[in-house]
Amino acid sequence: DVKVTQSSRYLVKRTGEKVFLECVQDMDHENMFWYRQDPGLGLRLIYFSYDVKMKEKGDIPEGYSVSREKKERFSLILESASTNQTSMYLCASSRAGGRTGELFFGEGSRLTVL
Amino acid sequence: GNSVTQMEGPVTLSEEAFLTINCTYTATGYPSLFWYVQYPGEGLQLLLKATKADDKGSNKGFEATYRKETTSFHLEKGSVQVSDSAVYFCALYSGNTPLVFGKGTRLSVIA
Repeated sequence: DVKVTQSSRYLVKRTGEKVFLECVQDMDHENMFWYRQDPGLGLRLIYFSYDVKMKEKGDIPEGYSVSREKKERFSLILESASTNQTSMYLCASSRAGGRTGELFFGEGSRLTVL
Repeated sequence: GNSVTQMEGPVTLSEEAFLTINCTYTATGYPSLFWYVQYPGEGLQLLLKATKADDKGSNKGFEATYRKETTSFHLEKGSVQVSDSAVYFCALYSGNTPLVFGKGTRLSVIA
């Protein structure tokens, strides 16, 4: 069964801590994405990557960075967590080309920043 | 730019009722359209899609028709079940830009 796996389902961090959210996919997909999901705001794109070592800013990149050293792994980094980054974070992957709109999602990582 | 507008929820229906969730879009070119579903405690999964005008996507009893003239892709189901309770997202893919999502509509089906 194909999968997108996010390393942590639930995290609690303190303001100012550095936070790593890991995402691994086993489908050999070229494209990977990080979204955050908040009530009333839907899904907002943070960063995405269409290839190894490549990254592009999404709609809300401020306060985040990403790393894609291997094709299957896409990490989201909060350099200094703040309370307004409390949210559900969703990782997704897709094939390149005509099926780019067909995303496969992980189960999400719910981050609470105190 | 590209955008998706879907009806706000929450929507509460009795079992076996008819469901419609409205979705309209704005896009350049000829987008592909999608409905994703998020069951409680899970990530999103693709429910159905349509890649060109007048296409009908269908899955699990849900249907949506790509209407270019009204720029719409409304989700319908003839008889909902309690297990259909979830959040539904309309989405658009056009050109080389990432998928654009609507804000989601929460559906609750009561027995």
